[in-house]
Formats: sequence, C-alpha cells, structure tokens
Amino acid sequence: EAGVAQSPRYKIIEKRQSVAFWCNPISGHATLYWYQQILGQGPKLLIQFQNNGVVDDSQLPKDRFSAERLKGVDSTLKIQPAKLEDSAVYLCASSWGLAGENEQYFGPGTRLTVT
Amino acid sequence: GEDVEQSLFLSVREGDSSVINCTYTDSSSTYLYWYKQEPGAGLQLLTYIFSNMDMKQDQRLTVLLNKKDKHLSLRIADTQTGDSAIYFCAESPPDGYNKLIFGAGTRLAVHP
Repeated sequence: EAGVAQSPRYKIIEKRQSVAFWCNPISGHATLYWYQQILGQGPKLLIQFQNNGVVDDSQLPKDRFSAERLKGVDSTLKIQPAKLEDSAVYLCASSWGLAGENEQYFGPGTRLTVT
Repeated sequence: GEDVEQSLFLSVREGDSSVINCTYTDSSSTYLYWYKQEPGAGLQLLTYIFSNMDMKQDQRLTVLLNKKDKHLSLRIADTQTGDSAIYFCAESPPDGYNKLIFGAGTRLAVHP
C-alpha cells in the first residue's frame, strides 16, 4: 500500500512570495489533514477535510492560507503572501474516517523556509 | 482547554528501559496516542489507548493511563539505538472529528 505522498519536499522562498504544497492521500482515505510543525514544536492542525468538505479550519490563518480538496482526493495548501513565521514543516495526513480509532497516516512533509 | 505537555529530552543507555511522560488537560479526550518521528520523516503511530483503559502492552511498548491525574506514559523496554527519535504524545478531543492535539515532543537519545 502506497503511503501519503507530498511534494515538494523542500521549498525556499522570500517573504511576500506565494507557495503551494500538494498532497496525495492513501487511496480510499476519506479524511485528509494538513498540519504545521514549527521547529521544536508538535504538529498543529491547520485544516481537516472529509471527502471534499471542510470539517475544521479553525486554526487556519485564512487571510493568507487557503486549501482545497477537489474531487475528494488530492489536496493543495497555499500560502499567499508568506511571512517569516510561516517557516515550518507542513505535514499532510489521511485516515479512513473520523472515528478516533482510525489511524492517521502521515506523509514525509514539506519543509518551507521563508527568508 | 486543550494542552499537552512533555519533557523535552531523555537520555538512556542501550538495553535499559525508557519512560516518556505526558500530561494533558482535556479530561474528556477519548483516545490518547504516542507517535514517533525520526529525522526527515513523517510521524508514525506507535500505539494508542482508549480512555477507559488503564494499561496497554504491545511487545516492547507499555502505555499507562492515569485519568485522575491526566497522565500518560510510554515505557520502552530494552531500548535500542534504533529507538532514538522524537516521541509525541497526542490527545483526541471528543468532538467526533479525529482531531489530534500534540505535545512538543520528547527527544530520546540512546547511547551505548
């Protein structure tokens, strides 16, 4: 079974530029999550999708961050414009569903550096 | 409120047992998890415990849950160098959305 795929693995941009990250979840997984992991901290949920609908985006800075999951499969997370404090690893995860016993499978992450 | 706290660093000798501790504040959390993160890799679920359990054992891993004190621990028996990683405690609030609240992680260093 293929795991969660993310690209790119690394990205360096200047502040005020835009950037987009892509995630391909495990086949058949209905729930998709984007987390932000700042160096030295645990991951923080940004947004959660169930199929192509948003379940929770309460921690997403909506003035600069956006995400979509068209057709309920792949997802993209965009930052426009980026700030220095957006430097972090962006992790995508997926699970079969919303119940707590459904394991979240994590991708390798995209490391973003904003200069 | 939702907050998960862990000690930041633990150093153990190879072959000894490691105990990583975690405290959480949402007493209604349904599930509590331990994840492992190796350098440059995503998080890997090690084990989880349902809130109505006190203990769960899985090979070298033992999870203890004290709901009264909101304390969770992970014991790794016969710790090996391959166990060196960051270990994250996480809780899942009972909102039905499988959301995870992570601690800052405990870096485990195993030395010969």
